[in-house]
Amino acid sequence: DARVTQTPRDKVTEMGQEVTMRCQPILGHNTVFWYRQTMMQGLELLAYFRNRAPLDDSGMPKDRFSAEMPDATLATLKIQPSEPRDSAVYFCASGIRTGEAFFGQGTRLTVV
Amino acid sequence: QKEVEQDPGPLSVPEGAIVSLNCTYSNSAFQYFMWYRQYSRKGPELLMYTYSSGNKEDGRFTAQVDKSSKYISLFIRDSQPSDSATYLCAVRSGNTGKLIFGQGTTLQVKP
Repeated sequence: DARVTQTPRDKVTEMGQEVTMRCQPILGHNTVFWYRQTMMQGLELLAYFRNRAPLDDSGMPKDRFSAEMPDATLATLKIQPSEPRDSAVYFCASGIRTGEAFFGQGTRLTVV
Repeated sequence: QKEVEQDPGPLSVPEGAIVSLNCTYSNSAFQYFMWYRQYSRKGPELLMYTYSSGNKEDGRFTAQVDKSSKYISLFIRDSQPSDSATYLCAVRSGNTGKLIFGQGTTLQVKP
């Protein structure tokens, strides 16, 4: 049963700490998306990759957020330093170039 | 103006009703259209995927796309309490692969 796996599921951290979220895309998928979901803004696209290369990260605050794909089986999203306004659910999704995208269960981040 | 507009609701209907959910989008570069369902504290789950204008049916669900008016719809027949969730429309660019979501509509189906 192929699925997108995200870790951790929940993260509580103090303001100023570094946070790293990880995503294992479905094997064979060459496109990976990172989204942030809040009640106010809904699902916002932060960044996406094709064949491990970043295509668009315009939705991401560049001063504190970074996204990478060290290899085809791992995507990471880092926040340094974290702030209370970063509290949200972060989703990773994977797919092929123009097809469907499949989501992980998300990382619920709380910054206190 | 957002690239995808969707009424957040909430929408409340009695069990058995026909539900109509709608979105509009602004850019004709979006050529692929999806509907997702999201239960509380879960990730979005793909319901329907369409490419061309017209209708696509899957069980009680029908997705409709009108590219000329940039309007997409999801119809749910014989709605059930288990259909209570948030429904998100999504559009994808044929050129860049960028995938953008609407705000989501919260649906409650009352027994």
